[in-house]
Amino acid sequence: DQQVKQNSPSLSVQEGRISILNCDYTNSMFDYFLWYKKYPAEGPTFLISISSIKDKNEDGRFTVFLNKSAKHLSLHIVPSQPGDSAVYFCAASLTRSGGGADGLTFGKGTHLIIQP
Amino acid sequence: DVKVTQSSRYLVKRTGEKVFLECVQDMDHENMFWYRQDPGLGLRLIYFSYDVKMKEKGDIPEGYSVSREKKERFSLILESASTNQTSMYLCASSFSHNYGYTFGSGTRLTVV
Repeated sequence: DQQVKQNSPSLSVQEGRISILNCDYTNSMFDYFLWYKKYPAEGPTFLISISSIKDKNEDGRFTVFLNKSAKHLSLHIVPSQPGDSAVYFCAASLTRSGGGADGLTFGKGTHLIIQP
Repeated sequence: DVKVTQSSRYLVKRTGEKVFLECVQDMDHENMFWYRQDPGLGLRLIYFSYDVKMKEKGDIPEGYSVSREKKERFSLILESASTNQTSMYLCASSFSHNYGYTFGSGTRLTVV
């Protein structure tokens, strides 16, 4: 059963406009959420993260919003640029009782295409 | 910057071969991970390790094993490669789960 869902396999946005990528999760124990960006033939690169105790985190053109009651998060990119064209993965993690990492649970990704 | 290095970018192996994928990180991270990426399936966790000689199964460990003899090195082993193990394999490391993981560039494995 998929615990992290990205329901849009692809998204096309005009350059300069806002890109909004969505992610839903089912496990209420997740306490940390991350977004990764991936170009073809490269490993994913970390973009931005948010702790479950916050509802918003901003870094330059990138903002992540978290709605815990809806188990939903979104990534906003403003303004969108051609170099933003990539696959974006939403990921979630939870804290073990003794600390440590269990590994991130990833969504299937959304292919963002920025059109000139 | 943390660097995670995967020894090969591309590999072609025959069915039944034993395959070793090597990963080295240079920032003294406790945690290391192996994922595979397949179209339409995203990234799926194969195995991870939170300490030397420690290993834990991820979501899809069948057909794989791992080795972590030194803190900086985490190896993924395909005991007898099969065509359904053709995939992009990604290694990652992290200081803790509250830090963004750093991924290697990936190994594109083709089993023929």
